[in-house]
Amino acid sequence: ILNVEQSPQSLHVQEGDSTNFTCSFPSSNFYALHWYRWETAKSPEALFVMTLNGDEKKKGRISATLNTKEGYSYLYIKGSQPEDSATYLCAFYNTGNQFYFGTGTSLTVIP
Amino acid sequence: EPEVTQTPSHQVTQMGQEVILRCVPISNHLYFYWYRQILGQKVEFLVSFYNNEISEKSEIFDDQFSVERPDGSNFTLKIRSTKLEDSAMYFCASRGWPSPLHFGNGTRLTVT
Repeated sequence: ILNVEQSPQSLHVQEGDSTNFTCSFPSSNFYALHWYRWETAKSPEALFVMTLNGDEKKKGRISATLNTKEGYSYLYIKGSQPEDSATYLCAFYNTGNQFYFGTGTSLTVIP
Repeated sequence: EPEVTQTPSHQVTQMGQEVILRCVPISNHLYFYWYRQILGQKVEFLVSFYNNEISEKSEIFDDQFSVERPDGSNFTLKIRSTKLEDSAMYFCASRGWPSPLHFGNGTRLTVT
């Protein structure tokens, strides 16, 4: 069984706070790591595709880093806003062309 | 922006009945996937489809499940004899190469 772990499971932060969460994945057979944002009543939407060790991607106030040797990725949100409230999913894409999703981190930003 | 569309949005069926969940992937995408999420659990991979055939399938995807691309645009998931434990949100996704997955809005399947 291939485990992709995300922590914490849920998080409540005040508007304006910065926050981060973790995705852990197997370091073998790595091809890519994807981050998705999943708002309630919508479908998951891709945030980042990361392929290289040391990759750092940024989209507005959200950024992500990747360490393929130790098998983790961090997602950072700077100055959280209520509209950032969502579940953030990571997905490990291996060389066998399969995606394995983590359980997600549910973020609630309190105004 | 092109979207993956799924129909119906909600399907209620009786145990033992057959259901077909429909998906229209993004037109120039080559890889197609079905996932499901049982309430409160993680998203689970069911099957991937490429070049008109199944490329990978999970242990969940047993003989009661099948997929088809009947007309070059639709991508369907058939569950032959539904069980209570098949109740879940079923998501279709597609991608080009090397893009991330684009998901549909899901079909909520309720088996009674």
